[in-house]
Amino acid sequence: EVQLVESGGGLVKPGGSLRLSCGVSGFTLSSYSMNWVRQRPGKGLEWVSFISSSSTYKYYAESVEGRFTISRDNAKNSLFLQMNNLRGEDTAVYYCAKSRIPDPSSLIFSNAPNDNWGQGTLVTVSS
Amino acid sequence: DIRMTQSPSTLSAYVGDRVTITCRASQTINNWLAWYQQKPGKVPKLLIYEASDLQTGVPSRFRGSGSGTEFTLTISSLQPDDFATYFCQEYGTYSRTYGQGTKVEIK
Repeated sequence: EVQLVESGGGLVKPGGSLRLSCGVSGFTLSSYSMNWVRQRPGKGLEWVSFISSSSTYKYYAESVEGRFTISRDNAKNSLFLQMNNLRGEDTAVYYCAKSRIPDPSSLIFSNAPNDNWGQGTLVTVSS
Repeated sequence: DIRMTQSPSTLSAYVGDRVTITCRASQTINNWLAWYQQKPGKVPKLLIYEASDLQTGVPSRFRGSGSGTEFTLTISSLQPDDFATYFCQEYGTYSRTYGQGTKVEIK
């Protein structure tokens, strides 16, 4: 069974930092691109960041570019999101999500939506 | 970045109704379009990928169609379990933008 479990959320002051983690099991992490997606309270889904299976490609939403860094440790079955210079508008539930199909190689990633999601971790940015 | 616009934002319907939700992209995304269902307090569930392919385990009353810039999600006969919010998502570009969501309510 595929499982994704986020951790690391919490209350942080504006300008502060947090590092989110996503531990996975039930599939071979090294074969799949992964995403972070967030959802502000009562709002819709917002894609945050993408990382290909071998970390060759990393993409960020404009709203977080330069402040957030995505990374992964395939050997430890983990995905990370380092969030710096946090703002009130970053308050949200953050989900890690797995691509539906594996990447064909380390140099090419699959165009695929997310078929498995973690339960999310809440990040609250407030003074 | 691509903008994804869903309509309507809210939809009221009866059990048994045929329901259609539209998603328009600001530029062509070919068929790189997914639909998700989200219930309150739950994680999103993938329903449709590549505009019209049904994800494993999803009931056949859900149907996706469209290409290019205009797409639809149709629920042929609305069931009590289908009352939820539905999101489209393009995944053909690096930005992987979501639509703003369509809430399907009980009439």
